Amino acid sequence: NAGVTQTPKFQVLKTGQSMTLQCAQDMNHNSMYWYRQDPGMGLRLIYYSASEGTTDKGEVPNGYNVSRLNKREFSLRLESAAPSQTSVYFCASSEDSGTGPEKLFFGSGTQLSVL
Amino acid sequence: GQSLEQPSEVTAVEGAIVQINCTYQTSGFYGLSWYQQHDGGAPTFLSYNGLDGLEETGRFSSFLSRSDSYGYLLLQELQMKDSASYFCACDNYGQNFVFGPGTRLSVLP
Repeated sequence: NAGVTQTPKFQVLKTGQSMTLQCAQDMNHNSMYWYRQDPGMGLRLIYYSASEGTTDKGEVPNGYNVSRLNKREFSLRLESAAPSQTSVYFCASSEDSGTGPEKLFFGSGTQLSVL
Repeated sequence: GQSLEQPSEVTAVEGAIVQINCTYQTSGFYGLSWYQQHDGGAPTFLSYNGLDGLEETGRFSSFLSRSDSYGYLLLQELQMKDSASYFCACDNYGQNFVFGPGTRLSVLP
């Protein structure tokens, strides 16, 4: 099992460019998440999807869009990249215990620089 | 909203015991998790407390007190490989997790 797979691992963009970060999980999890992590800081939730076909905003959704393409895949799109979006992006998934998620499985991250 | 507080840095020597505290303010608390992250790596799950009390997993234990909005991670028999950042995270209404700012643990020989 690969777990949670993110692509690309590294990306450099110019201000105003767009790109999509891809994420796929092979654990048959219902919930998927996108977090960003800035140096010396914790993870901040951008968007999450509790099930196929649903998405919800997290703490810092501005400037991002997401698509839950199917149960396996959850993509994050930057329509017009800004230097403030320079960060490490982590995708995660979780199984539903019945009372909610208890354990997050993370991808290896995407290091994004916006010049 | 939710906010979590934890110390920014902790230093200990190999073989020692260290406790990392986490206090939280939340309106939809279901449980408290702990994650470990080595430099350049992804966070990995350590433990989850859905109920008050102590959960033990090998050298690591985690504690939760809902009445005090407080939890801690206890690391015993510290090893050099335990040098990493540790994050507490609140289960938010059973829908997602809100993370604390992280505690950087340095283990000295």
